[in-house]
Amino acid sequence: DTGVSQDPRHKITKRGQNVTFRCDPISEHNRLYWYRQTLGQGPEFLTYFQNEAQLEKSRLLSDRFSAERPKGSFSTLEIQRTEQGDSAMYLCASSLIINYGYTFGSGTRLTVV
Amino acid sequence: ELKVEQNPLFLSMQEGKNYTIYCNYSTTSDRLYWYRQDPGKSLESLFVLLSNGAVKQEGRLMASLDTKARLSTLHITAAVHDLSATYFCAVMGDDKIIFGKGTRLHILP
Repeated sequence: DTGVSQDPRHKITKRGQNVTFRCDPISEHNRLYWYRQTLGQGPEFLTYFQNEAQLEKSRLLSDRFSAERPKGSFSTLEIQRTEQGDSAMYLCASSLIINYGYTFGSGTRLTVV
Repeated sequence: ELKVEQNPLFLSMQEGKNYTIYCNYSTTSDRLYWYRQDPGKSLESLFVLLSNGAVKQEGRLMASLDTKARLSTLHITAAVHDLSATYFCAVMGDDKIIFGKGTRLHILP
């Protein structure tokens, strides 16, 4: 068990480009969550999966954002036509028994220039 | 919609002092979590509180939950510099965890 892994750790992209982030949850965890955190704020919920099914998407998640979890294992979060306001830390978390909270990955820091 | 409010948002305190961070939330829940975040790092789970009256302690930190008041507290005893970090309260609502804005704690040597 190596914890929740996120890749890349840092991404700098030009406005208008597409970016994709990957998250590998703890292997036996069936739930996977994506959050976004901006400087000085708490993490904001974006979306979550139970196995391969995407069960909820926040209204924060515009149509430029899409997330997948094929086969219920790793997940990807894609942002199309990035904007400067997308600059943030994107956090992935996973859980098996939701009562006990989440295990977070190290995050992907996105900077849009 | 579940809202989680922490206060204070910033706290500067001297080593050796005691202090309490408060977390209020807006709708009924009996599952509350405290996380720690160091600058540039991810979130580390500190406490999981799953029932009214729950109290958990780890070292100089103690967390409690009053579900009737919709209030949790994180008490710091005899603070040390290593506890400097941002502390987040988070509450389970509608199958996902909602976070407060965090309390940035700075402990002066």
